[in-house]
Amino acid sequence: DQQVKQNSPSLSVQEGRISILNCDYTNSMFDYFLWYKKYPAEGPTFLISISSIKDKNEDGRFTVFLNKSAKHLSLHIVPSQPGDSAVYFCAASESAAGTASKLTFGTGTRLQVTL
Amino acid sequence: DSGVTQTPKHLITATGQRVTLRCSPRSGDLSVYWYQQSLDQGLQFLIQYYNGEERAKGNILERFSAQQFPDLHSELNLSSLELGDSALYFCASSVGGRARGTGELFFGEGSRLTVL
Repeated sequence: DQQVKQNSPSLSVQEGRISILNCDYTNSMFDYFLWYKKYPAEGPTFLISISSIKDKNEDGRFTVFLNKSAKHLSLHIVPSQPGDSAVYFCAASESAAGTASKLTFGTGTRLQVTL
Repeated sequence: DSGVTQTPKHLITATGQRVTLRCSPRSGDLSVYWYQQSLDQGLQFLIQYYNGEERAKGNILERFSAQQFPDLHSELNLSSLELGDSALYFCASSVGGRARGTGELFFGEGSRLTVL
């Protein structure tokens, strides 16, 4: 049962254009969402997050949008750069008072930014 | 550098064998998580420890076990290995406890296990 889904295994975007990566979730208890970036031979690194009380969070070239009613979030990268080429994982967690919660990950989207 | 250290980076072994993967969390982090990434798969949650105690369990096989020691490092033991256990095994850590913080996990570089 895949509770976090990234339906696009890969995406190719030209340098300077916008990259949009999508993620859907099924568990209505999820209230915190994160995006991780992974280069080959490295562990995933945190990119940006959003709480369910917000619908948008921005950090430089990266913006995450959350649509709770649709159980959908997206990551926008503007402008895209060749160094952004990596696998992007969407992740979600449930609040648990006083404890850290495990993350449930999607299967990832491989982004390639071409020159 | 995330501050999370995993050893070994690569491991090749035969079916039926047993291996131990080791993880040292970031300084001050109390929670340790183990994830498995098989070919073309996402990161599958295996198990979480918080300050030495098991906190959450995912789809971890009975042949697998883990523990977190008093110094907070963790070990993942994989026994009676099968070909399908070949994967990248990631350890992650977080502060945990009352200060939930950003909910961010910090990942190590992973241990690549190949079962022949």
